[in-house]
Amino acid sequence: GAVVSQHPSWVICKSGTSVKIECRSLDFQATTMFWYRQFPKQSLMLMATSNEGSKATYEQGVEKDKFLINHASLTLSTLTVTSAHPEDSSFYICSAGEEPGGEQYFGPGTRLTVT
Amino acid sequence: QKEVEQDPGPLSVPEGAIVSLNCTYSNSAFQYFMWYRQYSRKGPELLMYTYSSGNKEDGRFTAQVDKSSKYISLFIRDSQPSDSATYLCAMIKGGATNKLIFGTGTLLAVQP
Repeated sequence: GAVVSQHPSWVICKSGTSVKIECRSLDFQATTMFWYRQFPKQSLMLMATSNEGSKATYEQGVEKDKFLINHASLTLSTLTVTSAHPEDSSFYICSAGEEPGGEQYFGPGTRLTVT
Repeated sequence: QKEVEQDPGPLSVPEGAIVSLNCTYSNSAFQYFMWYRQYSRKGPELLMYTYSSGNKEDGRFTAQVDKSSKYISLFIRDSQPSDSATYLCAMIKGGATNKLIFGTGTLLAVQP
């Protein structure tokens, strides 16, 4: 149980375009979802926390107008990277939790390459 | 100073060796401690979850927490080549939050 999926697993886009990444909890309802980014050989850095039906809470230094997060249902959150630039190329990972303070389950990640 | 410090390695050991991975932290508010394993280009998977000082064992893995020293460890016994991965420690502060603070991760290579 407790499976989280991400789609796509790998995406290449041109500079200036937008790309959407989906995160789904397959067998549980996620009240909270988290979005992380991870650069090569570095740790996961939390970008934002999203709760179903409310606005996401962004970490300091993360541009909310560039990284749009929508948590429309208890099983789906999306991250849209708008006007992507090569420096946005990274590994984006989501996680989902059933309750505050509880365990988080991680998705397999999405590798974004902006050319 | 980072809230969580972890030696990035890389750490290379022969098959069968005992591996010791460590993290230190600076904020005594951390109450829950986790170890994740991450294979290349994959999401992290939870290995161990502890919330009190002491040892917790699960198969070949033992997690150790020393809150007085703000120090946590993960021991891997009889290491296998399949254990080769990046190991990340992570912590959560108390209260109604599950915001994880990760260490930088230690890259482990177990040589056959």
